[in-house]
Amino acid sequence: SYELTQPPSVSVSPGQTARITCSADTLPEQYAYWYQQKPGQAPVLVIYKDTERPSRIPERFSGSSSGTTVTLTIRGVQAEDEADYYCQSTDRSGTSVIFGGGTKLAVL
Amino acid sequence: EVQLVESGGGLVQPGGSLRLSCAVSGFPFSSYEMSWVRQAPGKGLRWVAHISDSGRSIDYADSVKGRATISRDNAKNSLYLQMTSLRAEDTAVYYCARGHILTGRVFDYWGQGTLVTVSS
Repeated sequence: SYELTQPPSVSVSPGQTARITCSADTLPEQYAYWYQQKPGQAPVLVIYKDTERPSRIPERFSGSSSGTTVTLTIRGVQAEDEADYYCQSTDRSGTSVIFGGGTKLAVL
Repeated sequence: EVQLVESGGGLVQPGGSLRLSCAVSGFPFSSYEMSWVRQAPGKGLRWVAHISDSGRSIDYADSVKGRATISRDNAKNSLYLQMTSLRAEDTAVYYCARGHILTGRVFDYWGQGTLVTVSS
């Protein structure tokens, strides 16, 4: 098995840019996906296939990929963006789904 | 409107069994792959099982293999998860999640979850 490694927490001030990273050796071979989860709510898909954004997600959310690391970027962070963010991918066979440990984004 | 509604959670004794259900509406259920994902209290997300749109292809996480059975009834627009030999570490909110139409192992809609508590 393998793991997706995320920082436990990231803090930003309102209006700044937040960057959350996710690393794994398999990421050059498999797409990564990002979810936002607010307390007591189900996760929401915010980025798929490394860089694609679902139509209902604000443009301030973007994704990028470089080697073994993918990054979720939130520009012009708002108080409502405070949440846990999880990256997700699959193993090399594409069968098993793996989630990162999650990153708590604090908007100070 | 896409809706997924889980049911069947509750308090179960260690070694017991439970069947979770997920009723879906608002999309052609038989065209989508589905999964169960769980989240222990205060912890992260963990994938449990996946089933193809036809139900012919199924995969499980190692942590539940041999104890979990995922199934679906496309005529009833319903997804199921049968869990046996339950352990304290199976305590979690269980979500059903719809696989994205382009790639079934990413989840574009989730239910609100049903809590399973394994305790004596």
